[in-house]
Amino acid sequence: DAGVTQSPTHLIKTRGQQVTLRCSPKSGHDTVSWYQQALGQGPQFIFQYYEEEERQRGNFPDRFSGHQFPNYSSELNVNALLLGDSALYLCASSGDRGPFTGELFFGEGSRLTVL
Amino acid sequence: DQQVKQNSPSLSVQEGRISILNCDYTNSMFDYFLWYKKYPAEGPTFLISISSIKDKNEDGRFTVFLNKSAKHLSLHIVPSQPGDSAVYFCAASDGRDDKIIFGKGTRLHILP
Repeated sequence: DAGVTQSPTHLIKTRGQQVTLRCSPKSGHDTVSWYQQALGQGPQFIFQYYEEEERQRGNFPDRFSGHQFPNYSSELNVNALLLGDSALYLCASSGDRGPFTGELFFGEGSRLTVL
Repeated sequence: DQQVKQNSPSLSVQEGRISILNCDYTNSMFDYFLWYKKYPAEGPTFLISISSIKDKNEDGRFTVFLNKSAKHLSLHIVPSQPGDSAVYFCAASDGRDDKIIFGKGTRLHILP
């Protein structure tokens, strides 16, 4: 059973460019959340997708956008990259409809460096 | 404004002793509290959770204690083992839609 997979694992961009990160959720999961983890910080919630719609959003500017496809996979897009966007971007999936446990399944992340 | 706070960036504990990691929160709407563990080059993995209606939850060597009046929780690991060396994130949720708020993490070093 494949867990959460993310691509690419590492990438380098320059300021002003755009980036797309991809995530495939764990089999059977229909909800995808994206987190940004800057150096020395905990993961910060960017947004969550369910049924191909953005269900919740954290305190991130509109430069951060996303999409969820019918197969539940998801993309995170960041436009007009800033140096401060350098971080590990984590995708997490969930979706078991039993009692809430707080258990998210995370991928290994995509490490973005903006020069 | 940090809603979940871990004030100790790092902690060193002798192998076999008890590790105690602490966490404070500010949002009274949180209904579930969680601990995640992260090794380098891996995503965080869920460790243990506790509902706000309980004050203790135990799973093997791991026990989480919740003090709602103090808005404080702690994770106890006993006995500590070398494989426990990792970054531990305290997290919280209102339990409605899988949105989890994380603290900054505490790096635990288990000393031989």
